Formats: sequence, C-alpha cells, structure tokens
Amino acid sequence: SQTIHQWPATLVQPVGSPLSLECTVEGTSNPNLYWYRQAAGRGLQLLFYSVGIGQISSEVPQNLSASRPQDRQFILSSKKLLLSDSGFYLCAWSEKRKAFFGQGTRLTVV
Amino acid sequence: ELKVEQNPLFLSMQEGKNYTIYCNYSTTSDRLYWYRQDPGKSLESLFVLLSNGAVKQEGRLMASLDTKARLSTLHITAAVHDLSATYFCAVEWYSGGGADGLTFGKGTHLIIQP
Repeated sequence: SQTIHQWPATLVQPVGSPLSLECTVEGTSNPNLYWYRQAAGRGLQLLFYSVGIGQISSEVPQNLSASRPQDRQFILSSKKLLLSDSGFYLCAWSEKRKAFFGQGTRLTVV
Repeated sequence: ELKVEQNPLFLSMQEGKNYTIYCNYSTTSDRLYWYRQDPGKSLESLFVLLSNGAVKQEGRLMASLDTKARLSTLHITAAVHDLSATYFCAVEWYSGGGADGLTFGKGTHLIIQP
C-alpha cells in the first residue's frame, strides 16, 4: 500500500535560519507531489508541485524553494526564514486523481 | 484562475441540529473533494464527488455536487460533538504536462456544543 512520510512534525526556527522539510512516498512510482501551506486562520495554499524528478512548478512567489532529487522524494527549503513563513506545511501526492496527505509539519519562526 | 469559496467560515451549533456548509467554485471542474481536519492534524478525506448530481453519505454527513451551479454542499444531520473539526472543500484542476492539483476553500471551522 502507498504511504507518505513527512518530517519533522514540529519545528521552531529563528528568523534568518535555513529550512529543510522532507517528504517521501512509498508504494508508488512517478507520483505527482505537492507542498501546501496552511497559515493560521487561512485555507490551504498550494506552494509547489512536481510531475517528475527535477521538475518543479511554483504557484506563488515566496521565500521558499522545492526540489525533487529522487522520484519519491520532495524537499521544501529556505535559505533564510521569515516570520511570515510560519504555518502548517503539508506534503501530498496524487495518483489516479486521488490526493493523499502527509501528517504535516508545524513550523514556527521566532 | 480557479477560486473556491466556502461559507460559513465559522459555525457553532448545538448537538442534534442540522446544518449545511456551502462550497462555490469559479471555473469548470468535474471533481470535488471534502476533507476533515482536526486541530494540529493532517487532512482526512471524507468524500470525492465525481459528476453532476453526485451524492454521497457517510454517517451524519452527506455531500452533493451541482457542476452546473458550481456548487457543492456538505450537510450535517443531527450533529454530535465528535463532528467538531474544520471542513475543507477542494476542487481539482489540471495543467499542461500532466499535473493536477487541488485548490482549497478557506475551511469551515465547526464547533458542536452539547
């Protein structure tokens, strides 16, 4: 069966520090992968999606970047975090037009 | 640009009552999702609505889709406290190159009081 792993679950980082969130998927190949962010009191916003290794599309301009070094690995990064980067980050993958979500990472930038 | 609007954004209701959450979207799509999110948790899939007139029911929740009106509803019957959560609708989109994704509404924060 397919599973999605996302870590860490909780992160507190100072402003200006780098960020790396990792997401891996098991039990499938060549999935579409996504990073969403949920800011306090707001809905989910799509940040990046990827249809294959090295292929990244960005939905909104921001302080973040994404990479897909392997077929089932999706990484969300930042060189210098801003306070506004705080939020709940969700990795997701889709197959056959169904979407599955990771457990999320609660990021607090202080 | 696909826009998804949910209302209400916040709802407090008593146990035993009925209520409906609405989800409007701006462009044509034939697939709509409803998710539940408990505080601090990820999203749990509730329903996938695939076509005009689709209706799905699970326990006290029933979802429907009208693609002509670009409207989906999530109806709660005889609410119980365990249904307290944030509910999201999401509409599927497609782009060239095989990508698909979801655009979410802002969510409806539902509190059910004894």
